[in-house]
Amino acid sequence: DTAVSQTPKYLVTQMGNDKSIKCEQNLGHDTMYWYKQDSKKFLKIMFSYNNKELIINETVPNRFSPKSPDKAHLNLHINSLELGDSAVYFCASSQGFQENSPLHFGNGTRLTVT
Amino acid sequence: SQKIEQNSEALNIQEGKTATLTCNYTNYSPAYLQWYRQDPGRGPVFLLLIRENEKEKRKERLKVTFDTTLKQSLFHITASQPADSATYLCALPTNAGNMLTFGGGTRLMVKP
Repeated sequence: DTAVSQTPKYLVTQMGNDKSIKCEQNLGHDTMYWYKQDSKKFLKIMFSYNNKELIINETVPNRFSPKSPDKAHLNLHINSLELGDSAVYFCASSQGFQENSPLHFGNGTRLTVT
Repeated sequence: SQKIEQNSEALNIQEGKTATLTCNYTNYSPAYLQWYRQDPGRGPVFLLLIRENEKEKRKERLKVTFDTTLKQSLFHITASQPADSATYLCALPTNAGNMLTFGGGTRLMVKP
C-alpha cells in the first residue's frame, strides 16, 4: 500500500499554462506539506496544512494555490507557469504539527516548464 | 534563519568500511534533528531522530550523534554495503513547530 501518493509523476507543460498536482495519504495523518526540490537538490518547504487549515506559506508566489478538501488530500494548483517553476515537487505528511514526528514523503512530481 | 551545511561532494568508500556524514547548523540548537535517505527518483525516507538531550542514537548499522556545543550531527553507517548508496539528508525544525528545514544532502557511494 502506498502511504503518500502523488499524481502525475511527470508533468511537461509550456509557460503560461495552469496545472495541478494531486496528493493523497492513507496514514491518517493530520498534517500535510508541499516541498520543492530544485536542481541543486535543496528541499524547501512551500506549504503546510494541519487539519485542512493552512499553517505555513513560505513566501511562495500566489500563483501557487494549495487546496485541502479533507485531511487525506492536499492538492497544488499552479497558475501561469514560469520556467523557474521547473523542479521536483514532493508532498509529505506527518502525525501532528507541533510534535517531532517524521515526515512521510511521496515519490515526487517532476515538473518541466518549456 | 537556520543554515544547514552538509558536504555537497560525494563520499566514496569501500564496502565494509564505516561511512561518516556530517551535518552542521549555524544558529540556535534545535530540540531534535532528523536524518533521511533519498534514492534517485524517490522521496526522502525517514531514518533516525535524535533529541538535544541524547548524545547518540543507534538503529541496526546506523548511528547518529548530536553535539549541541559544536552544532553538529554525525551520521555513521558501519559495515557499509553497496545498497547503502544514496543521498543522506539531515533536517532540523524551525521555530515554527514541526516545519523541517533540510540540508542539501551528501551523496554516498559504496563500492564493492
